[in-house]
Amino acid sequence: KQEVTQIPAALSVPEGENLVLNCSFTDSAIYNLQWFRQDPGKGLTSLLLIQSSQREQTSGRLNASLDKSSGRSTLYIAASQPGDSATYLCAVTQGGSEKLVFGKGTKLTVNP
Amino acid sequence: ETGVTQTPRHLVMGMTNKKSLKCEQHLGHNAMYWYKQSAKKPLELMFVYNFKEQTENNSVPSRFSPECPNSSHLFLHLHTLQPEDSALYLCASSQAFGSMYEQYFGPGTRLTVT
Repeated sequence: KQEVTQIPAALSVPEGENLVLNCSFTDSAIYNLQWFRQDPGKGLTSLLLIQSSQREQTSGRLNASLDKSSGRSTLYIAASQPGDSATYLCAVTQGGSEKLVFGKGTKLTVNP
Repeated sequence: ETGVTQTPRHLVMGMTNKKSLKCEQHLGHNAMYWYKQSAKKPLELMFVYNFKEQTENNSVPSRFSPECPNSSHLFLHLHTLQPEDSALYLCASSQAFGSMYEQYFGPGTRLTVT
């Protein structure tokens, strides 16, 4: 059974800092991996989607990498801003079932 | 706005009540999903409908009853719930069910069972 783990569970940084969020998964038979953002009490917004054949994706200050063989992904946020404060969720689309399997998320706080 | 709306946004109900959650998508999608997000647990898939047919029931208790009258609307009927059913219930939609189709999420309904 696929399990997705995100470390750390919470992170607090000063504004302007570069930071890395980590995601690991136990079964490498995935179609793709997504990073989502969730603001308090709200739904999910997709940030980046990496297909299993890709190594990384970039959008603005965000860069996500995927190492499928080792079951790891990282989300790099450059020059963090208070508006980046949210919970970041990692999810993999499981091969076979084609269902999204989520991690518990990392709660990020960027302090002004 | 993702094009997926959910009502109500907040709901408080007793264990003997019957209520329904509603989801509507304005994206022309054919697949719709219900997810449950409990405190300190990962998001869990509950149900999937693809072209109005239920294709997934992730071992959800029968006190949760989904209904998909058409591709744009999805309901979750609730009855005799337990306090541990308190959670954020998220609806999502995608063009169809499958790994190549991105899911778009609604804002969720915060459910509290007293």
